[in-house]
Amino acid sequence: SQQGEEDPQALSIQEGENATMNCSYKTSINNLQWYRQNSGRGLVHLILIRSNEREKHSGRLRITLDTSKKSSSLLITASRAADTASYFCATDAGGSNYKLTFGKGTLLTVNP
Amino acid sequence: DVKVTQSSRYLVKRTGEKVFLECVQDMDHENMFWYRQDPGLGLRLIYFSYDVKMKEKGDIPEGYSVSREKKERFSLILESASTNQTSMYLCASGYRESNQPQHFGDGTRLSIL
Repeated sequence: SQQGEEDPQALSIQEGENATMNCSYKTSINNLQWYRQNSGRGLVHLILIRSNEREKHSGRLRITLDTSKKSSSLLITASRAADTASYFCATDAGGSNYKLTFGKGTLLTVNP
Repeated sequence: DVKVTQSSRYLVKRTGEKVFLECVQDMDHENMFWYRQDPGLGLRLIYFSYDVKMKEKGDIPEGYSVSREKKERFSLILESASTNQTSMYLCASGYRESNQPQHFGDGTRLSIL
């Protein structure tokens, strides 16, 4: 079953602009992660936020988590053409032998 | 750097064939996973393994089986391939703790004719 749902499904912006992608989920989580996938490649982990955290930064990435609304956002600042990729959120419920449940992704296109 | 290697990037097989997809990781991860990725459906978990010889069904296990005889290797088996199994297959590995990321291979694009 799909836990996370990203919004929008596709986003097209100009280089230098900020890109914001959202993720909503249905049940309680332990952690939420964001991954990036370049066309035809595997997923690459970007950042993880725990359920007791509200905001986290990594370079040009900023993620927020609102557990009361069951939602997260990924902000990429000062976007570059190389940021063009699909972005996925993934949630886990914790416990032993954990597994992730992925959303359907947002396709970000950054135009030069 | 963690390396997850999938044996083939592209594979073409015929309906009814038994198909093996292989995945090897070099980080001594306890957990390994097989997903399939289809347009509009995102990633769906087929099977995962948390230890040698251990496996658990994911969300879409029908038509698939897995094998984990060694810690570093996780195989996905299509017992009798069908056209609806044409897809991108992604292998991933990770440590057992839930605050750790999964590391993905580059995928195998499988076509069943």
